[in-house]
Amino acid sequence: GQNIDQPTEMTATEGAIVQINCTYQTSGFNGLFWYQQHAGEAPTFLSYNVLDGLEEKGRFSSFLSRSKGYSYLLLKELQMKDSASYLCASLDSNYQLIWGAGTKLIIKP
Amino acid sequence: GAVVSQHPSRVICKSGTSVKIECRSLDFQATTMFWYRQFPKQSLMLMATSNEGSKATYEQGVEKDKFLINHASLTLSTLTVTSAHPEDSSFYICSASSGSGRAFPYEQYFGPGTRLTVT
Repeated sequence: GQNIDQPTEMTATEGAIVQINCTYQTSGFNGLFWYQQHAGEAPTFLSYNVLDGLEEKGRFSSFLSRSKGYSYLLLKELQMKDSASYLCASLDSNYQLIWGAGTKLIIKP
Repeated sequence: GAVVSQHPSRVICKSGTSVKIECRSLDFQATTMFWYRQFPKQSLMLMATSNEGSKATYEQGVEKDKFLINHASLTLSTLTVTSAHPEDSSFYICSASSGSGRAFPYEQYFGPGTRLTVT
């Protein structure tokens, strides 16, 4: 079966760094997406990884290890506005996105 | 760029009535559009995938006669919830993929969502 695992909830402090992990098992693999979703809003694109390694984009970075079926999203210099759910999604062999349940990130002052 | 609009943003309807939700790609041609449903504190659940000019492909467990999808043009897809019941109350989100021309052809651009409440 196809499965995406990520923690349900994480808490971090403003200004700190947090890493949100995601493991995936899908039928084929064509890349890994991270989306941010604020409460009551639609998801917005954060990153896409298809090759192993770390991709940095400002305060956000995303890492992929295809051999381990593992990815993480790294958020630096946390701001209160980063409080949101972070969705991990794997693009399978049919180019269909398989979604994780999302990680709710709570930022405390 | 890559803006997707969705209308209405909120709708309340009575049980037994039908509701139509529109999804439009404003600045690109969407070869593929996706319809999702999301219940509170749950992940996105793909309902169906539609390509312009062809019938939608529904996910297992989604009633095609209840959730009518039309993708008549490269910029518009509609979802009609027919004979709505309270259990259909949910957050419905559409997304669109250009298939080419953007950073990632399979990147999905999401509309703002429609919150449906059936009383």
